Amino acid sequence: DAKTTQPNSMESNEEEPVHLPCNHSTISGTDYIHWYRQLPSQGPEYVIHGLTSNVNNRMASLAIAEDRKSSTLILHRATLRDAAVYYCILRATNNAGNMLTFGGGTRLMVKP
Amino acid sequence: GAGVSQSPSNKVTEKGKDVELRCDPISGHTALYWYRQSLGQGLEFLIYFQGNSAPDKSGLPSDRFSAERTGGSVSTLTIQRTQQEDSAVYLCASRVDGGNTIYFGEGSWLTVV
Repeated sequence: DAKTTQPNSMESNEEEPVHLPCNHSTISGTDYIHWYRQLPSQGPEYVIHGLTSNVNNRMASLAIAEDRKSSTLILHRATLRDAAVYYCILRATNNAGNMLTFGGGTRLMVKP
Repeated sequence: GAGVSQSPSNKVTEKGKDVELRCDPISGHTALYWYRQSLGQGLEFLIYFQGNSAPDKSGLPSDRFSAERTGGSVSTLTIQRTQQEDSAVYLCASRVDGGNTIYFGEGSWLTVV
């Protein structure tokens, strides 16, 4: 499986934008980039995913590098409720990609 | 309910006992996953069910672990002769066939003493 590399932790101030980076230099052409987050004492929840183009939804934006070897999850205004572990995951579109392989993720701390 | 439901929420068991953990996926979701997460660690894949296909058991850590899915809906994860290292949160997730999003339950917290 293609692997992802994320910083172990990041800090942000409340109401400021947060840019969470992810490197995936061995990504293949058919791998989707998925982001999930895990709030304390909860199961992971879907945030956003994309293939080549940048994506926006109500939770966040996903900026994908032109060569697809990296991506950035953007939280436009961090709130205390955004404190969580954020996982960047590659999911292949063939059968092997039915499972998500979670790495260590980035623990985001939000300061009031 | 609308989400993935897991039971029990918490289970404390004695070393050597068997435990069963239950997962009710979202209605209509044909794909079902079990993961486990030890304290402070990432998620570890255990097993994957897709419709009537043979399950992908490649993540089960030992033959003490087994899972079944009856009628294509409810799944039970069984751990026999529990060990202290089995203590973890066991997370179930489901996905609609062809969908991209995997929906997780709240997890079953297992403590083996």
